[in-house]
Amino acid sequence: AQSVTQLDSQVPVFEEAPVELRCNYSSSVSVYLFWYVQYPNQGLQLLLKYLSGSTLVKGINGFEAEFNKSQTSFHLRKPSVHISDTAEYFCASSGGSASKIIFGSGTRLSIRP
Amino acid sequence: NAGVTQTPKFQVLKTGQSMTLQCAQDMNHNSMYWYRQDPGMGLRLIYYSASEGTTDKGEVPNGYNVSRLNKREFSLRLESAAPSQTSVYFCASSEKIAGFTDTQYFGPGTRLTVL
Repeated sequence: AQSVTQLDSQVPVFEEAPVELRCNYSSSVSVYLFWYVQYPNQGLQLLLKYLSGSTLVKGINGFEAEFNKSQTSFHLRKPSVHISDTAEYFCASSGGSASKIIFGSGTRLSIRP
Repeated sequence: NAGVTQTPKFQVLKTGQSMTLQCAQDMNHNSMYWYRQDPGMGLRLIYYSASEGTTDKGEVPNGYNVSRLNKREFSLRLESAAPSQTSVYFCASSEKIAGFTDTQYFGPGTRLTVL
């Protein structure tokens, strides 16, 4: 069965510091992997996705993620965060024949000035 | 393009009342979804529709019904609302690439309170 684990429920960082949000997936088949962001009182929107090809994926707002098949991880990184990055971040995977995406439980990123 | 739209944005119900949440997408996607989001619980799938004419239960279907009216519209009905259904409801749509579900596009959400 497919599953997605986000290892940190909350990550506090100082403004302009680097950040890494961790995500591990479990699947017996190939998967597509996604990171979504949810700003307060809004719906989710796509940050980036990995379908195939280069394992380093760049997304919007300076975020990037690296697909690591041997460690079944898809960690999200940003070298320098801004107050406007305060949001909840969801890792997700899709695979197999089901028309569903499996979401992780989310990581709340809080930025301190 | 409006993307995914949801109505209403806010709703307050009394226990036992019924209501229908509406969702429409203009991206010609085959698949549509209903999620609920509660504090600390992440997103939980209620129902989904892989294509027009089909619907399937998700993780938390009890107390809900859905209708895939046509390719554009997917509605969620609460027949007899309960306080446990107080939540934020999101509709989403997506397409498939090479058999995999691709990016889901989300609506802005409906904030429902059941008293």
